[in-house]
Amino acid sequence: KQEVTQIPAALSVPEGENLVLNCSFTDSAIYNLQWFRQDPGKGLTSLLLIQSSQREQTSGRLNASLDKSSGRSTLYIAASQPGDSATYLCAVYNTDKLIFGTGTRLQVFP
Amino acid sequence: DADVTQTPRNRITKTGKRIMLECSQTKGHDRMYWYRQDPGLGLRLIYYSFDVKDINKGEISDGYSVSRQAQAKFSLSLESAIPNQTALYFCATSDWGTGSADTQYFGPGTRLTVL
Repeated sequence: KQEVTQIPAALSVPEGENLVLNCSFTDSAIYNLQWFRQDPGKGLTSLLLIQSSQREQTSGRLNASLDKSSGRSTLYIAASQPGDSATYLCAVYNTDKLIFGTGTRLQVFP
Repeated sequence: DADVTQTPRNRITKTGKRIMLECSQTKGHDRMYWYRQDPGLGLRLIYYSFDVKDINKGEISDGYSVSRQAQAKFSLSLESAIPNQTALYFCATSDWGTGSADTQYFGPGTRLTVL
């Protein structure tokens, strides 16, 4: 059974720092891996999707990497801003469904 | 207008009541999903549908049923609500095989409280 773990569960950093969020999964037979952002009381917004054949994807200040063989992905956020404060979820797609981690709650303070 | 809408946004009900949560999408996607989110447990899949004639159970389908009335509509029912079904419920859609490879688009959620 696929299990997805995210570390740390919570993170608080000052504005301007570069930071890394981690995601690990137990079954490497994935189709893709997705990173989402969730604001309090809101739905999820897709940030990046990495196909199983890809190593990384970039969007603005965000860069996500994927190492299938080790069952790991990282989300790198450059020059963090208070507006980046949210919960970040990773999810892996296999067997026709997404399996989510429990998220990392990020707070960026001025 | 939002691409994926959910009604109601908030609902308080009593144990034993029948509840229906509705989801509509304007993205033209074939695939639709229902998830629930509980603190510390992440999102878990309840049911999913790949087209109007296809319904599949997810990880936690017991106590729930669904209906895919049209490509754009997917409703979730709790036949007899119980307190441990108190959670945040999300509907999502995706369009397989378009190159975006199953990016899922989420509705804003329905907060359900069962007393």
